[in-house]
Amino acid sequence: QQQVKQSPQSLIVQKGGIPIINCAYENTAFDYFPWYQQFPGKGPALLIAIRPDVSEKKEGRFTISFNKSAKQFSLHIMDSQPGDSATYFCAANGGATNKLIFGTGTLLAVQP
Amino acid sequence: NAGVMQNPRHLVRRRGQEARLRCSPMKGHSHVYWYRQLPEEGLKFMVYLQKENIIDESGMPKERFSAEFPKEGPSILRIQQVVRGDSAAYFCASSQQETQYFGPGTRLLVL
Repeated sequence: QQQVKQSPQSLIVQKGGIPIINCAYENTAFDYFPWYQQFPGKGPALLIAIRPDVSEKKEGRFTISFNKSAKQFSLHIMDSQPGDSATYFCAANGGATNKLIFGTGTLLAVQP
Repeated sequence: NAGVMQNPRHLVRRRGQEARLRCSPMKGHSHVYWYRQLPEEGLKFMVYLQKENIIDESGMPKERFSAEFPKEGPSILRIQQVVRGDSAAYFCASSQQETQYFGPGTRLLVL
């Protein structure tokens, strides 16, 4: 029940394409869902986050779509660029202590 | 406005030695979290601390691992008698509310 399942494991798109990364959870107590971007050798950097009372949130080229009934959420990257090539992690806030439960990550490659 | 600081960035230890990893949270943050990332895997929660208190250590191995966040100074993650399976990247994150900001990590290699 504490898992967050993420897919796909890897993704290749052309520049300008819209990669979509999906996550699913089971624990209905989760109430905060951030996405992090990680470059090789660096720490995860917060991209965007959403709460279950909102179905969509946009920040720049990044959009989260949230389906509370299906317990799924996804990240869309508009007009993707080679500089977006990184590993993306979804996460969920795991209750009273705010510890984050992470998905297994998606390695994105945006080809020029 | 410095972010989360971690040191050392890289640490090499031989089996049986001790590893000490330090984390200085962002200014004004009183919550510290430690996570471990094994090669090509996601981050796994280890422990959550506030000043002088361990709040949640449900992800911490029962033996050899300990953590502290003293009143003064950085948070320390200590691994005693390291084994090869401890080789990983260890990240700390700090927060004031729910948003967690991560440091650059310490990459531990056990020979």
